[in-house]
Amino acid sequence: DTGVSQNPRHKITKRGQNVTFRCDPISEHNRLYWYRQTLGQGPEFLTYFQNEAQLEKSRLLSDRFSAERPKGSFSTLEIQRTEQGDSAMYLCASSPPQGYNEQFFGPGTRLTVL
Amino acid sequence: AQSVTQLDSQVPVFEEAPVELRCNYSSSVSVYLFWYVQYPNQGLQLLLKYLSGSTLVKGINGFEAEFNKSQTSFHLRKPSVHISDTAEYFCAVSDPLYNFNKFYFGSGTKLNVKP
Repeated sequence: DTGVSQNPRHKITKRGQNVTFRCDPISEHNRLYWYRQTLGQGPEFLTYFQNEAQLEKSRLLSDRFSAERPKGSFSTLEIQRTEQGDSAMYLCASSPPQGYNEQFFGPGTRLTVL
Repeated sequence: AQSVTQLDSQVPVFEEAPVELRCNYSSSVSVYLFWYVQYPNQGLQLLLKYLSGSTLVKGINGFEAEFNKSQTSFHLRKPSVHISDTAEYFCAVSDPLYNFNKFYFGSGTKLNVKP
């Protein structure tokens, strides 16, 4: 069990560019979550998937943000037309089908928008 | 919606001293409660969780937390801290409206253990 992995770990981009992050959950975890963490704050919920279905999206997730989990395994988070305010750590977590929804977090992708 | 308040943004403490990190939450329904630790440039690691039953919960690395329903608190304690406990600690509550899938986190408490 290698844990939740996220790629890339760091991304620097210019304002207006599109970026895509990938999350690979722990194998056999059917639930996957995305959070955003800005400096000095706790993680904020963005969205979650159960298998390939996206069941909840935060109002924080503007139209420029889209997340997919096409085969119920890995997930991607895309940000279009990035803005400086998008600079943050993007965290992914996963949960197994049984249990009490304990979430296992990946190391995060740090996005810097110049 | 649920909310979580961590009253102390930073807690300095000397090595081998006891520490308490405070967490209060607001909810009119039963929730699950969690404490996570985050080391620099890393993701969050679960320390402990309260689901039901005994109000005193023991976790990893010698940490424990006590659930107090009347005060809506879930304070984290350790009787004797080590330098390696220096990290940021987050309290979280899961929302039953979303089948406990949606977590709300506090703003974090930075624990700085000094020699």
